[in-house]
This record gives sequence, structure tokens and C-alpha cells, in this order.
Amino acid sequence: DAGVTQSPTHLIKTRGQQVTLRCSPISGHKSVSWYQQVLGQGPQFIFQYYEKEERGRGNFPDRFSARQFPNYSSELNVNALLLGDSALYLCASSSGPNIYTIYFGEGSWLTVV
Amino acid sequence: QQPVQSPQAVILREGEDAVINCSSSKALYSVHWYRQKHGEAPVFLMILLKGGEQKGHEKISASFNEKKQQSSLYLTASQLSYSGTYFCGTEATEAAGNKLTFGGGTRVLVKP
Repeated sequence: DAGVTQSPTHLIKTRGQQVTLRCSPISGHKSVSWYQQVLGQGPQFIFQYYEKEERGRGNFPDRFSARQFPNYSSELNVNALLLGDSALYLCASSSGPNIYTIYFGEGSWLTVV
Repeated sequence: QQPVQSPQAVILREGEDAVINCSSSKALYSVHWYRQKHGEAPVFLMILLKGGEQKGHEKISASFNEKKQQSSLYLTASQLSYSGTYFCGTEATEAAGNKLTFGGGTRVLVKP
């Protein structure tokens, strides 16, 4: 079975631009969460979606938004990019919203120049 | 507030043991352990739940002291493949919604 798949794997954007990152969860998983990992640090929670509803939001500005589609795939959007948004963006899926093993995708490396 | 991991880094010879600690100032419901190799995604190792339930699928053990809000990961008879950065992620409540708060990581290097 395929794991969590993310696209694109690498991308470079200019300050002020917008970016959309995509995630497909493991088959059968209905919960998707997004994390930002800055180089040398642990992942930081951004959003969680379950059954297309937002179930949790981390301490990120409104420039960050996300949504989940009927097939449980998800998109993370970041507007008005800043240099500090450069990071690895990880998508994780689980079978349920609470206390289930969370599996991470390979991530999308975003560089803002 | 993120959990504190110690040590920050450890160097082992193949076959040696190591303990990685994860401490929180908040009451915890669960602790999740992941290993991340350079340029790769974090890989699930272990989940420990309040009440003692433990779930994992690798030959790595861990403990969860609910009174101290501390978890320890035990690397026994380390192998070269154990090299990487280990992260603990914590959930404060059962309804945390997969919102893991990660520590800063412990870098482990296993040498031949």
C-alpha cells in the first residue's frame, strides 16, 4: 500500500508569492494534519482535518490555510510568503482524529528567496 | 510549551546502549517517538499512552512515567541503522486531535 504522498517535493518561491502544497493520505485514513519543520528543529503543528472539517489549528498566521477534499486528500496554502516560511512541510495521516498512530509523508521542501 | 529532550546529541559504538529522555511541564496523555534520517520523513517508532498501554513495531523499547511527565526511549545493542534524529511528540489530552508538540530532537550517531 502507498504511504502518505506529497507534492511537489521541492519548490522555490519569491517573497510575496503564494504556494499550494498537496497531500494524499494512506488509503483508508480520514485524518490529515500538516506540520512545518524548520531546519534543525522538531516539526510544528499547523492544521488537522478530519472528515473535511478543521479539528485543530496551531499558532500560525492567517496566511496559512488548508482544506480537505471528499477523497480525504488535502491542500495547504500559504499566501504572501516570507523568508521565514522556508521549511520542510510535512503531511501526516491517521485513521482517526485522536490518539492514533500518525504516519508522515516525505514532505515538501519550500525555499523562499 | 514544547517538551525538552536530553541529551541533544549522543555518539555510540555499534552494540552500545543509550537512553533518550523527553520531559514535559504539562500533564500528558500520550507520547509518540519518531526517528528522522537526514532528508527523510519522520518514521513512527512507538506510542505510549497514559495508563501504560504501549504500541510500537520496532525492537526499541520505551517507558512513560505519568507522575513525572517524562518518557524515555531505550536504544539497546545499537545498530548502524539507529543513526538519525529522534523526536518525541506529546499530546496533552485525549481529544488533542493529532496535535503533537515535538521536542527539539536528539541526534544519534552510531559508529562501527
